[in-house]
Amino acid sequence: KQEVTQIPAALSVPEGENLVLNCSFTDSAIYNLQWFRQDPGKGLTSLLLIQSSQREQTSGRLNASLDKSSGRSTLYIAASQPGDSATYLCAVSGDYKLSFGAGTTVTVRA
Amino acid sequence: GAVVSQHPSRVICKSGTSVKIECRSLDFQATTMFWYRQFPKKSLMLMATSNEGSKATYEQGVEKDKFLINHASLTLSTLTVTSAHPEDSSFYICSARGDSAPNYGYTFGSGTRLTVV
Repeated sequence: KQEVTQIPAALSVPEGENLVLNCSFTDSAIYNLQWFRQDPGKGLTSLLLIQSSQREQTSGRLNASLDKSSGRSTLYIAASQPGDSATYLCAVSGDYKLSFGAGTTVTVRA
Repeated sequence: GAVVSQHPSRVICKSGTSVKIECRSLDFQATTMFWYRQFPKKSLMLMATSNEGSKATYEQGVEKDKFLINHASLTLSTLTVTSAHPEDSSFYICSARGDSAPNYGYTFGSGTRLTVV
């Protein structure tokens, strides 16, 4: 059974600092890995999708890397802003299901 | 991009009644949709996988007679919480997976906050 772990569980940084969120998974046989953002009481917004054959994806201030062999992914958010405050979820896709980590709750202080 | 619409966003119902939640893929066809439940400050728990034109596949521990799932078309899946009780109060989220590029990823609805009183 796939286990997904996200560290740290919570993170508080001053505005402008770079964010580094970690995700690890136990079974490297994945189709892709997806990072999501969830605001309180809301659904999930997809941030980045990395196919299993790729090593990274970038979108604006966001960059996600994938090392499938070691079962790790890292989400970098450059020059954080208060609007980046949210919970970030990592999910890996195996067969047809997504396995989620518990998330990292980020607070960016103005 | 891919959009999934989920309604209602919030519902309050009396104990013993049934509630239906709709999940629609607006700009792509989704042969497979998923229903999740999320407890406060917890991650998403997969309840069931909904396949168009066939019976849903439920995860272990999820009561199929309480959580009825129907996926009658390639763009619509519904979750009906039957004979709801206060312990069914939760945040329910659906997602859909596109089967052709560029929709390899999963798109989520905005969620439904169910409160049973």
